[in-house]
Amino acid sequence: AQKITQTQPGMFVQEKEAVTLDCTYDTSDPSYGLFWYKQPSSGEMIFLIYQGSYDQQNATEGRYSLNFQKARKSANLVISASQLGDSAMYFCAMRDPNRLAFGKGNQVVVIP
Amino acid sequence: DGGITQSPKYLFRKEGQNVTLSCEQNLNHDAMYWYRQDPGQGLRLIYYSQIVNDFQKGDIAEGYSVSREKKESFPLTVTSAQKNPTAFYLCASTPWVGVGGWGANVLTFGAGSRLTVL
Repeated sequence: AQKITQTQPGMFVQEKEAVTLDCTYDTSDPSYGLFWYKQPSSGEMIFLIYQGSYDQQNATEGRYSLNFQKARKSANLVISASQLGDSAMYFCAMRDPNRLAFGKGNQVVVIP
Repeated sequence: DGGITQSPKYLFRKEGQNVTLSCEQNLNHDAMYWYRQDPGQGLRLIYYSQIVNDFQKGDIAEGYSVSREKKESFPLTVTSAQKNPTAFYLCASTPWVGVGGWGANVLTFGAGSRLTVL
């Protein structure tokens, strides 16, 4: 079974600074996909970024980038230039063939 | 605008009662999913459906039931057999994109339904 691990405690980040959220995963499947979602206090889940296991380059989407280290089974999310609106829970997820398995999340609070 | 509508947003239930959560999408997506979220936890899959009139159990299906009579609708019933139903429930969908599979599983989520058992 797929396993996603997010173990960082809640984080406080100064506005305009970068923050890195850790995610490690475990799978024996050579083909897999990794995702990051954001969940603000309102509860909706917002897709941020996707990385395929065969992608040669790290994924980037605006201020979000994914530091993909395949040999270490690591897929860390980097948020550059944090904004107050980035305060949320962040979830790492992995594609099972027909569904997504989620980690327990990282809480981020951006302070002015 | 296309999206997923979940209702009700908040629901209170007495112990021993069944309750049905609605999920409707107008995205023409093929697959639909129900996840449960408890405080401080990630999302756990309850049920999913890839085609009308067919669905599969997820990791925590006990005490829940679903139906998929229409492509756009995937209601979830929380039965009295569910011992600890108080949680936040999220519905999601994704399209089938042929060779690439399930839209790389980029799920679109609804706003969620918060169920509290009194």
